[in-house]
Amino acid sequence: AQKITQTQPGMFVQEKEAVTLDCTYDTSDQSYGLFWYKQPSSGEMIFLIYQGSYDEQNATEGRYSLNFQKARKSANLVISASQLGDSAMYFCAMREEAYNTDKLIFGTGTRLQVFP
Amino acid sequence: NAGVTQTPKFRVLKTGQSMTLLCAQDMNHEYMYWYRQDPGMGLRLIHYSVGEGTTAKGEVPDGYNVSRLKKQNFLLGLESAAPSQTSVYFCASTRDTRLNTEAFFGQGTRLTVV
Repeated sequence: AQKITQTQPGMFVQEKEAVTLDCTYDTSDQSYGLFWYKQPSSGEMIFLIYQGSYDEQNATEGRYSLNFQKARKSANLVISASQLGDSAMYFCAMREEAYNTDKLIFGTGTRLQVFP
Repeated sequence: NAGVTQTPKFRVLKTGQSMTLLCAQDMNHEYMYWYRQDPGMGLRLIHYSVGEGTTAKGEVPDGYNVSRLKKQNFLLGLESAAPSQTSVYFCASTRDTRLNTEAFFGQGTRLTVV
């Protein structure tokens, strides 16, 4: 069954430091996509980064990178040079390639707090 | 370009009342989703639709019904609201079946059932 697990309810990081947010997933499908979204206190959902199961290289988008370890079924988000504006909830999500059962499933989230 | 718009943004219901949440997208997206967000639970999928006229159950469908009569609209109904349905509801849409298509979200609807 499709499942996303985020085991860190909260994380703290000092400004300008790097932080890793954990995400593990479970799927029986060989073809799937993994996403990270950011939700600031204002409530909107902001897409950050995508990794496909067949992508050979880890995805990167500016200060965000995804540490994809397929054998371990993990897709950790790395934020480099943290900024105060990075304080938010972060959600990992997965989409499987299955005809007409296109679910987009989210984890429980990690609240990141960046301090000066 | 409005993207995904949810109506209403806030609502207070009494137990047993009914209501419909409207999600409208102007991006011609095929797929639409309804989630609820509760503290410590993340976003849980209620129902989703892979195209006009089709709907399917998600992780927590009980107590909700949906309809997708028009491609751009996805309605979420609560026939008899319960306090357990107090939550923030998000609608999302994606363009197509390709795995790398990101989801676009509405601003959310904060629903309180008293």
